[in-house]
Amino acid sequence: AQTVTQSQPEMSVQEAETVTLSCTYDTSESNYYLFWYKQPPSRQMILVIRQEAYKQQNATENRFSVNFQKAAKSFSLKISDSQLGDTAMYFCAFMKLPQGGSEKLVFGKGTKLTVNP
Amino acid sequence: DTGVSQDPRHKITKRGQNVTFRCDPISEHNRLYWYRQTLGQGPEFLTYFQNEAQLEKSRLLSDRFSAERPKGSFSTLEIQRTEQGDSAMYLCASSARGVNEKLFFGSGTQLSVL
Repeated sequence: AQTVTQSQPEMSVQEAETVTLSCTYDTSESNYYLFWYKQPPSRQMILVIRQEAYKQQNATENRFSVNFQKAAKSFSLKISDSQLGDTAMYFCAFMKLPQGGSEKLVFGKGTKLTVNP
Repeated sequence: DTGVSQDPRHKITKRGQNVTFRCDPISEHNRLYWYRQTLGQGPEFLTYFQNEAQLEKSRLLSDRFSAERPKGSFSTLEIQRTEQGDSAMYLCASSARGVNEKLFFGSGTQLSVL
């Protein structure tokens, strides 16, 4: 079974600064996907960024980028130029290569990020 | 794209009562998922539908839980004889046909069992 660990229950950052959220995972699979989801107070889970394990290049989406270390099973999220709207719970999630169509996600416990003005 | 809609947003019930939640996925999405999220935890997978067929169920889904997706459109999740441990947020997600499509989540139904 896969597990996802987020060791930082809470973090805070000043507006416009950079913050990195940590995530480690455990799996015996060689092909899989990793995700960061954002859950603001509105409760809707929003996909921030996705990484395919077979790709060595780290994914980037505007101010969001990841540091994917496959051998270390580490997948951190860097948020640059933090904005007040980035305040939310952030969840790291794992998906093994879908079989039969099921894209089942395994989530970590989350990191509560607060961006201070 | 009107997003994934869930109803109700909040539900308070007494222990032993039955409750039913509804999820309306994005119209062209053939895959639908239910997750449960308890306080301080990430969401946990409950069940998965492809069209009207329920293809996977988690061991978390006890006999008191039943999910349906008639005609492959909206889905319902029913909990019979609710227990206090059922208190959680129930999230629905959908995705389109294809490989590794993005999951779109609804805002969830928050269940409180008194």
